[in-house]
Amino acid sequence: TQLLEQSPQFLSIQEGENLTVYCNSSSVFSSLQWYRQEPGEGPVLLVTVVTGGEVKKLKRLTFQFGDARKDSSLHITAAQPGDTGLYLCGGRGSTLGRLYFGRGTQLTVWP
Amino acid sequence: EPEVTQTPSHQVTQMGQEVILRCVPISNHLYFYWYRQILGQKVEFLVSFYNNEISEKSEIFDDQFSVERPDGSNFTLKIRSTKLEDSAMYFCASSPRQGTLYEQYFGPGTRLTVT
Repeated sequence: TQLLEQSPQFLSIQEGENLTVYCNSSSVFSSLQWYRQEPGEGPVLLVTVVTGGEVKKLKRLTFQFGDARKDSSLHITAAQPGDTGLYLCGGRGSTLGRLYFGRGTQLTVWP
Repeated sequence: EPEVTQTPSHQVTQMGQEVILRCVPISNHLYFYWYRQILGQKVEFLVSFYNNEISEKSEIFDDQFSVERPDGSNFTLKIRSTKLEDSAMYFCASSPRQGTLYEQYFGPGTRLTVT
């Protein structure tokens, strides 16, 4: 089993602040996907990172894959209340497509 | 934009009953998955399916579970004799291909409550 640990578990900030959440493992992943999940809904794909050291930007969100492909981070600049949600990372290991998920970071952005 | 759909959104059943959860993957996708998420816990992989057969299954996916693609559009998960611990959100996902660049798109889920 390939474990992914996400931190922090909960994050509560004011609108306009910056934040970073982390996704760490002792295992190497061939790719890693970030999702956002609202209560009672399915995970919505935000981005996929594949190459060690890769950085991808999606408007105010910046995703980085570690050089060793064992960890990743998500940085949000100038957070807005609409960013509120559960952020999940899912890593694909060496098997046939199975994703291993972390527990997620519950982000709350207050107006 | 194409999306994965799932029915029903909520299913309540009694322990020991059979349930079938239905999914319509994105139309040009070839790989299909079921995951589940018990309240407050991680999303857990159950099974992957390609070319009308199971590609991989987890230790959760025991003999009580089965999957089927009965026609060109539906993908189903059957639980033969439900237990209380089967209560969870069940998510279907689909992917256009495998390989490093594949991406999995999730449906909105079916909330299964076993009483």
